[in-house]
Amino acid sequence: AQKVTQAQTEISVVEKEDVTLDCVYETRDTTYYLFWYKQPPSGELVFLIRRNSFDEQNEISGRYSWNFQKSTSSFNFTITASQVVDSAVYFCALSERIMNRDDKIIFGKGTRLHILP
Amino acid sequence: DADVTQTPRNRITKTGKRIMLECSQTKGHDRMYWYRQDPGLGLRLIYYSFDVKDINKGEISDGYSVSRQAQAKFSLSLESAIPNQTALYFCATSDSGQGFNTQYFGPGTRLTVL
Repeated sequence: AQKVTQAQTEISVVEKEDVTLDCVYETRDTTYYLFWYKQPPSGELVFLIRRNSFDEQNEISGRYSWNFQKSTSSFNFTITASQVVDSAVYFCALSERIMNRDDKIIFGKGTRLHILP
Repeated sequence: DADVTQTPRNRITKTGKRIMLECSQTKGHDRMYWYRQDPGLGLRLIYYSFDVKDINKGEISDGYSVSRQAQAKFSLSLESAIPNQTALYFCATSDSGQGFNTQYFGPGTRLTVL
């Protein structure tokens, strides 16, 4: 069965430190997609990144970077030089396609990140 | 203007009342979804719709019903609300087509059932 595990329930770091959020997934699909979403204190869900299973290149976007490793079924997210505005709950998610048409996303339970000033 | 809107944003109601949560989108997407979020449980899928005539149950559909009035509108109803339906509800949309398309979320509706 599809599963996403975010083992870190809550993390606190001091501003300007680097922090990595872990995500491990399980899937029976040969083609799949992975996502990260951010939920700031205001509550909305903001899409950050999507990765397909054929593209293992790491991605960097400003202070954000993502490390996708199929060998360990992981899709980790690193924030460099963290800022207070990065405080949020971060969700890792995995695509699930049933009968070649029913597209769903399976979410992890989230990691709550506190950036302390 | 937001691409995916939800109304109301907050609602407090009593046990046994009928409640409707509405979702509208201007993204032109054909697929729409309803999720609920509970603390520590992530997001769970309630219902999803791939077009106006294609509605499917998600993993936690009991106690809920939906209506897809138009491509841009997808409503979630609680026929007789109960306290354990207190949660944050999200609507999401995605486009069909090649591959798997990203879901974009509305701002959420915080529902409290007393």
